[in-house]
Amino acid sequence: SAVISQKPSRDICQRGTSLTIQCQVDSQVTMMFWYRQQPGQSLTLIATANQGSEATYESGFVIDKFPISRPNLTFSTLTVSNMSPEDSSIYLCSVVITGSGSYGYTFGSGTRLTVV
Amino acid sequence: AQTVTQSQPEMSVQEAETVTLSCTYDTSESNYYLFWYKQPPSRQMILVIRQEAYKQQNATENRFSVNFQKAAKSFSLKISDSQLGDTAMYFCAFMKHNTDKLIFGTGTRLQVFP
Repeated sequence: SAVISQKPSRDICQRGTSLTIQCQVDSQVTMMFWYRQQPGQSLTLIATANQGSEATYESGFVIDKFPISRPNLTFSTLTVSNMSPEDSSIYLCSVVITGSGSYGYTFGSGTRLTVV
Repeated sequence: AQTVTQSQPEMSVQEAETVTLSCTYDTSESNYYLFWYKQPPSRQMILVIRQEAYKQQNATENRFSVNFQKAAKSFSLKISDSQLGDTAMYFCAFMKHNTDKLIFGTGTRLQVFP
């Protein structure tokens, strides 16, 4: 299975600023996914990032607020822009792993963001 | 739209005992995947078990097994011989075939007591 390195692991940011989260995979993958987990809540898909094309955002998420880059098949970034306390969440990247009859997601270890 | 419901916000079990976590889902699709993920305090999402909807046989992974009832749209997780390390948040998730988008339930917090 793939190994995902995500950083930073946590950060405390001032409102109005932006934070960029990085996600590095140890193998080439077609699609990468960004999820948000608000405090005490479940995971919600923010967007799907394909290499070489613009990310596809889910309802309720917009590119101006969560710009995503996908420069190659092993790397992606998610920026949380113009942050407010409501953006305090855990942000996770993930990839789909297939092969040997298996199918499933692998997740990064998450970034815990606190906006003050 | 697909929805996933976990009706048990919290569960507790004594070490070495068996516990069952419930999950129901709503979909009109016939081909899909179901997953159980574990999230310990470290935040890492760990795949526990996977079930393909077209397979009638219930998936098992060591101490973890599922009871998949397709007609009832039910997908419960049984943890046998519970261990302290099983303490975590457990999420049930649904994925429609060929979409790669996971839809998560709200989670069940499991506490294993010595």
